[in-house]
Parts: sequence; C-alpha cells; structure tokens
Amino acid sequence: DQQVKQNSPSLSVQEGRISILNCDYTNSMFDYFLWYKKYPAEGPTFLISISSIKDKNEDGRFTVFLNKSAKHLSLHIVPSQPGDSAVYFCAAMTSGTYKYIFGTGTRLKVLA
Amino acid sequence: EAGVAQSPRYKIIEKRQSVAFWCNPISGHATLYWYQQILGQGPKLLIQFQNNGVVDDSQLPKDRFSAERLKGVDSTLKIQPAKLEDSAVYLCASSRDKGYYGYTFGSGTRLTVV
Repeated sequence: DQQVKQNSPSLSVQEGRISILNCDYTNSMFDYFLWYKKYPAEGPTFLISISSIKDKNEDGRFTVFLNKSAKHLSLHIVPSQPGDSAVYFCAAMTSGTYKYIFGTGTRLKVLA
Repeated sequence: EAGVAQSPRYKIIEKRQSVAFWCNPISGHATLYWYQQILGQGPKLLIQFQNNGVVDDSQLPKDRFSAERLKGVDSTLKIQPAKLEDSAVYLCASSRDKGYYGYTFGSGTRLTVV
C-alpha cells in the first residue's frame, strides 16, 4: 500500500525554467510534509517542509504547495539550475508518530 | 556539527552470510532511524529508536534483521542470514526533536547480496 506516490519517475527541464515536481498521498491523517533532495552516493538532504495548517511555503528558489482537499503537494523550483539535478523525494508524517513515509522519487535533470 | 556517520560505505556478501552496519548519529539527537532503500524505490522505515528504546519496528523482518542502540547513542543493524532481496542502500538518520523538521541522513551503506 503506497501511501505517498510520485507518479513521474523522471523530469527534464531547461536551465532557467520552472521545475514542478508532484506528489500525491492517500492518508488524510498526514499533517507534515517534506521534500528531500538526493545526489548519487549521498544520503537524502532536507530541502523544504510544510505543515497542514499552511498551503504554501517558500524558501528562496523553492516553493512547496499543499492542496489538502486533493491530497496533493508540489515542489516548484524557479529558476532551475543544473546543480538542482538530483532525485527528489516527498515524505509525509502524521504528527505523534514521528516517522516519515517516503514516495518513490522523481529524478530531475536540468539541462544547461 | 558533524553529520550522521555510517560504515561501511559498501558491502558485498553471499546469500546466507551475515552482515552488520554501524551508525553514529549527530550528537544530542535522541531519535535514530534505519531506512532501507531498494533501487528505484523510496526509503522504507525499518526501525525507529527514541534514545535506546524501540519506538517502531513494525516493518523490520525480525526473522533475519536485528538492531540495537546501546546507551542511546550509536546503533548497529544486522542481517542474518542475508537474502538476495536484501540488496539495497541502508540509510541511518537522526533527529533532535520529533522529526517535524526532517531528519539528517547519513550517506548510507550499499549492500549487494550475490
């Protein structure tokens, strides 16, 4: 039972354009969401988070949007840079459990 | 601050052999997690410790996997005997609080079972 889904395994975007990575979840009890970035041979690194009391959170070039009614979140990267090329995982948690459920990841390639 | 340390980085073993992985979390981080990431999949939680107590091990295959966190600091994850399907990256992570702002992951141990 995949509670967190990233339906696009890969995405290619031209440098300077917007990258939009999507994530869907099925468990309505999830109330904290994160995005992680992973480079080859490294562990995932935290990128940005959002709690269910918000619908948007920005940090520099990265913005996460949460649509609770659709059980959907997205990560926008503007402008995209070649260094953003990595695998991006979304993760969700129900507060009180203190554990995140991860999606399967989307490989982003930013073309110079 | 120093990151989460894991060793070894790579391990190749034959099926039915045993293997152990080590993790040293960030100093002061009470919560420690072991995740398994199979190629093409997202990380899957195996076990979660709060200090030296197990909080959640519901997805740990207990017939072959074991983990301990002595003195609430570093941790070891063991597989005995290994199966081909155990080939994966084993990630250790730690968090200071209850994980609301994410964890810090180590670089992982890539296990290949042949």
